Amino acid sequence: QKEVEQDPGPLSVPEGAIVSLNCTYSNSAFQYFMWYRQYSRKGPELLMYTYSSGNKEDGRFTAQVDKSSKYISLFIRDSQPSDSATYLCAMKGTGTASKLTFGTGTRLQVTL
Amino acid sequence: GAGVSQTPSNKVTEKGKYVELRCDPISGHTALYWYRQSLGQGPEFLIYFQGTGAADDSGLPNDRFFAVRPEGSVSTLKIQRTERGDSAVYLCASSLYGSGLLQETQYFGPGTRLLVL
Repeated sequence: QKEVEQDPGPLSVPEGAIVSLNCTYSNSAFQYFMWYRQYSRKGPELLMYTYSSGNKEDGRFTAQVDKSSKYISLFIRDSQPSDSATYLCAMKGTGTASKLTFGTGTRLQVTL
Repeated sequence: GAGVSQTPSNKVTEKGKYVELRCDPISGHTALYWYRQSLGQGPEFLIYFQGTGAADDSGLPNDRFFAVRPEGSVSTLKIQRTERGDSAVYLCASSLYGSGLLQETQYFGPGTRLLVL
């Protein structure tokens, strides 16, 4: 069983929709949670990070962490075609803070 | 400023050959990381350098894989006796301090696409 599970999709939504992306994890040592966006043939770029349970908002993006359930989410409001990409959740914890553990990535397509 | 750069962007080789992949981190970043991303998967950690030394090489799959960072800047990932299963995108990332800081952001390069025939 992988430490981080993420539905690979693909997920197709119309422009303007609210998108919900999720990951579950099994390692209680994970304390720092990130969402990366990866366009085709590009490297991942950091979208958001958080290290506590609760919500964190940045523009159209909201990251949510529930440590008790070992569940994290990324919500995208008013989705745009330019949001079409693969979204990767990533985590790290004390003792393993040098390395990120990624989910499989969810491929998102926002259609006109 | 310039981001992380990787060369070559694509590499095609034959089974059994030796390859070298290069990473130029962001100037001033002391920490450097290598990851491997297979098709349809997320990146998997290979090795982490703090300065010139490999602080964590627990992700290297076997002894055919080796990486160096002799002057604490550019790094080279070396793969001996390549196998078809080594085909993947090899990503490099760098961060300012490393040292296990949770808050450190890792900045990724575009990757080198390795295809072993």
